[in-house]
Amino acid sequence: GAGVSQSPSNKVTEKGKDVELRCDPISGHTALYWYRQSLGQGLEFLIYFQGNSAPDKSGLPSDRFSAERTGGSVSTLTIQRTQQEDSAVYLCASSVRAPNSNQPQHFGDGTRLSIL
Amino acid sequence: GQQLNQSPQSMFIQEGEDVSMNCTSSSIFNTWLWYKQEPGEGPVLLIALYKAGELTSNGRLTAQFGITRKDSFLNISASIPSDVGIYFCAGQKETSGSRLTFGEGTQLTVNP
Repeated sequence: GAGVSQSPSNKVTEKGKDVELRCDPISGHTALYWYRQSLGQGLEFLIYFQGNSAPDKSGLPSDRFSAERTGGSVSTLTIQRTQQEDSAVYLCASSVRAPNSNQPQHFGDGTRLSIL
Repeated sequence: GQQLNQSPQSMFIQEGEDVSMNCTSSSIFNTWLWYKQEPGEGPVLLIALYKAGELTSNGRLTAQFGITRKDSFLNISASIPSDVGIYFCAGQKETSGSRLTFGEGTQLTVNP
């Protein structure tokens, strides 16, 4: 479809393993965002990309978390040495970046990450 | 951490009733948005507000951007069972290209 696509939809892994989560934004959307949603909570900002650069990565909770974006499109969020508190739904959103123009963020369905 | 206070946390209503929920903030936002989230899915945008005092409708939904730019409310009229879900408010400092700050959500249950 034409929406934000995330994969995998579910991921179960053992504590200490590394995981990679993928986001494919809406075609033509230059801005891409990662958020984390813990059970029963609102969304918590992680990082924002404009093109391939990240002007705001202040929400990354620790140096175990990193993200990259290549070709101004697909982004990967990597969590190293996973801990149980990393269990959450990781959501990606994208929007058009247009100065002086109202451009809301549209979300994918997320990756549900469970750390055993 | 969270800067938006959303209330109520949950609502249990009968089909046909009207619903109101609101968000307040200690800081100013230049954009307010309302999203709905259903189980296993990402948030879906319902209404976006870009001007202080703006009142916008989308079908049975009406939302307003408070004139102080520190609050917003969402009303749902004549609720139906498919309105069930979690409703989130979100504030944004700029119209695009900046993070969203979310409220904790309002869980809405509609009894047929």
